This record gives sequence, structure tokens and C-alpha cells, in this order.
Amino acid sequence: AQSVTQPDIHITVSEGASLELRCNYSYGATPYLFWYVQSPGQGLQLLLKYFSGDTLVQGIKGFEAEFKRSQSSFNLRKPSVHWSDAAEYFCAVGGGTYKYIFGTGTRLKVLA
Amino acid sequence: DTEVTQTPKHLVMGMTNKKSLKCEQHMGHRAMYWYKQKAKKPPELMFVYSYEKLSINESVPSRFSPECPNSSLLNLHLHALQPEDSALYLCASSQAGIGTQYFGPGTRLTVL
Repeated sequence: AQSVTQPDIHITVSEGASLELRCNYSYGATPYLFWYVQSPGQGLQLLLKYFSGDTLVQGIKGFEAEFKRSQSSFNLRKPSVHWSDAAEYFCAVGGGTYKYIFGTGTRLKVLA
Repeated sequence: DTEVTQTPKHLVMGMTNKKSLKCEQHMGHRAMYWYKQKAKKPPELMFVYSYEKLSINESVPSRFSPECPNSSLLNLHLHALQPEDSALYLCASSQAGIGTQYFGPGTRLTVL
């Protein structure tokens, strides 16, 4: 079955600390992978995506993600978190059929 | 420009009202989507239009009626909604089925 798992429902980090949000997927075909961020009451903003090529992908706002096929993972990282990064983060997998499979999301809280 | 616009931002309606949500994109995308998102949940796909034709209907109740008047516009007509239909309604667009989906800011719908 196709699925996306974000094991951490909530994560709290201090401002300036590093961040890693986990995403594991189960997908039969070559996956297209995405990370989106959503501030309260807002739409989803694309942070980065992976289709093919270099497995380390750079995105906006200083985020990066690494695709590891052997581990079926696409973890999101940021070396130094800012208070404005507090939001909900969604990992998604697509495969060319219009449908995304979303993870359940990780809510990030940033301590001043 | 990767902007998808949605109007209105907020909508309050009674169960006997008829209202419409509007979505617009000028990126030349040929696929457009409606999602419903409840609090603390990932978006749920409702409808997909591809080249202005309804491509996917995720068994959505008939009180939701989508319309795609042209390649830039997507409407969602609402009639006889229930309080449980209260949610954030998100529109998205992509170049095609495989493409990255870009989301609008959403319409916060409250059904009284």
C-alpha cells in the first residue's frame, strides 16, 4: 500500500538549534517527493521537491532534504531554526497520477 | 510567478444558502484541484480538473459542485451544506498530473 509516514506529530526546538523532520514513504513506483509548510489558517507553501538527480535538494528559507532510496526516506533539515519557522510541515509523495499522498504532518514549535 | 489566488478568504453560510468559492491561476497550468482540510489534518483531495475536464471526483457529496469555466479559473459551488463541511478549502494547480502542485491561501468556510 502507498503511504507516507511522519513519525513526529510535534517537535519543539530552540531558536538557533538544528532541525530534522522525518518522512518515510511506501510507494511502488519512482516517487516524486515534496515538502510543504503551512502557517495557521494559510495555504501550503512548497519548500522543496525531488524528482531525480542529486539526492540532496536545496529549498527555500534555508531548508534542505535528502532522498535515501534504501531507507525510503526524505528527511527535511535546517541548520539553524528561526522563530518564524514555527508551522505545520507536510511531506507528500506523488507519482504522476495527479494524486498526492500526504503525511499527517509535523507541528514545529520554536522556543525563543 | 507561482501564485494561486482564492476568494473569498472567509465565508460564513447557513445550511440553506448557495455560495461559490473561486480560484484563479495565471501560470498556464492545465490541472487544477480542490482540497478540503480539517484542523490538524492533511489536505484531502476532492476534485481534479485536467484540461478543463473533470478528471477525478473523490466521491464528494453532490452538495459540492465544481466548475472549470476556462484554464485559469476554478469554482466550487456550495449548496445545502452541513456544519461538518466547515473547513479550509484549498485550491491548487499544476502543469500536468506529474507536476508540482502550487496551493492558494484557502477559503475558511463556516457552516452554521
